[in-house]
Amino acid sequence: QAQLVQSGAEVKKPGASVEVSCKASGYRFSDYGVAWVRQAPGQGLEWMGLITNYKGKTKYAEKFQGRLTMTADTSTATAYMELRSLTSDDTAIYSCARVFYDVLTASYNFDLWGQGTLVTVSS
Amino acid sequence: DIQMTQSPSTLSASIGDKVTIVCRASQSITTYVNWYQQRPGRAPKSLINVASVLQSGVPARFSGSGSGTYFTLTITNLQPEDFATYYCQHSSTIYSLTFGGGTRVELK
Repeated sequence: QAQLVQSGAEVKKPGASVEVSCKASGYRFSDYGVAWVRQAPGQGLEWMGLITNYKGKTKYAEKFQGRLTMTADTSTATAYMELRSLTSDDTAIYSCARVFYDVLTASYNFDLWGQGTLVTVSS
Repeated sequence: DIQMTQSPSTLSASIGDKVTIVCRASQSITTYVNWYQQRPGRAPKSLINVASVLQSGVPARFSGSGSGTYFTLTITNLQPEDFATYYCQHSSTIYSLTFGGGTRVELK
């Protein structure tokens, strides 16, 4: 069955960068985009951005512009999210999600999620 | 960016109750709203898209409605597995796929 499996937990120091991977299986990776969502402790879901399946076009939420990069390797069906210049405010669970674009309704839906990766930023 | 605002933030209910969660958009988004359920320690699950279309496998006690700037998620005959946090999401453009702040449904 379709699934997204993410890399393991990370502990980083302030100012460092982190890269989280998201490996897809059970479906054609190139048919879907991948979004990244984070959830700080006790907080709600925060959309960070996505990489589409159209020439790898990316769109990042404004607050992450300049320190976020999303990439995808179709040969290994793996998406990557790199966040730089980390602060303690970036401590959160980072999740990838498959983005389904419904042509009939022209809408997007996150229909499959990874298990989440805890990133802790601490000195 | 379009902002999504949910209310209430917490809702106390009993098994068998009917509950309604409200989501308001900062501008008209026609019916471009998704709803997700997140149980503690679990990944979110897609429930409804384009305001009212149930995802495959989602029980019929869940329903969504609304258009423009006002949307609701209703759960009738609340079951034990429905105690969770629910999020709305704007869904029409990759430029702003923002979530609401969430509504936690807890046992009264």
